[in-house]
Amino acid sequence: QKEVEQNSGPLSVPEGAIASLNCTYSDRGSQSFFWYRQYSGKSPELIMSIYSNGDKEDGRFTAQLNKASQYVSLLIRDSQPSDSATYLCAVNVGGGADGLTFGKGTHLIIQP
Amino acid sequence: DVKVTQSSRYLVKRTGEKVFLECVQDMDHENMFWYRQDPGLGLRLIYFSYDVKMKEKGDIPEGYSVSREKKERFSLILESASTNQTSMYLCASRRQTGGYTFGSGTRLTVV
Repeated sequence: QKEVEQNSGPLSVPEGAIASLNCTYSDRGSQSFFWYRQYSGKSPELIMSIYSNGDKEDGRFTAQLNKASQYVSLLIRDSQPSDSATYLCAVNVGGGADGLTFGKGTHLIIQP
Repeated sequence: DVKVTQSSRYLVKRTGEKVFLECVQDMDHENMFWYRQDPGLGLRLIYFSYDVKMKEKGDIPEGYSVSREKKERFSLILESASTNQTSMYLCASRRQTGGYTFGSGTRLTVV
């Protein structure tokens, strides 16, 4: 059974601070990892992907992967009110056609 | 940018009706997916397809079927709609690797 776990929140962070979102997964064969942002009533939007251990940075976003600990995280620097959304972690076991398994998401609130 | 288009944003159907949800992508992606999203349950995979006329069951295929006659189009069919199929339905596509691009979703209400 493939499982992806996230704290549902809400996670409340002051504007300008670093928001840290965490995700654990159960299947050691997982190879691809993704973070999606979903605003209320909208569909998920891909914001980060990571495939190897370590950090990957894109603007204010940093994804971190530790396969030994089966742990992936997303850091958002200089948090803005527009970052308030639900963040979904998704994992792909193997490559290719298989569907992603999603966590239930963490609701992030950036307080002005 | 890849565009994934779902034919309806909101849909209301009666119990027992046959319902078709259409999804079209414009970037020649091999893989297409149908999910439903419910509060507290998250995104759950219904069916996916990795090629024309090919389909694979996801985690919750019961009560659903799919059709992929052309590479760009993936249809989800509810043979006899029931109230427990009231949900947000999301279509997604991607190449062999990488993340999904989602459509805007169809909020289906079965009354």
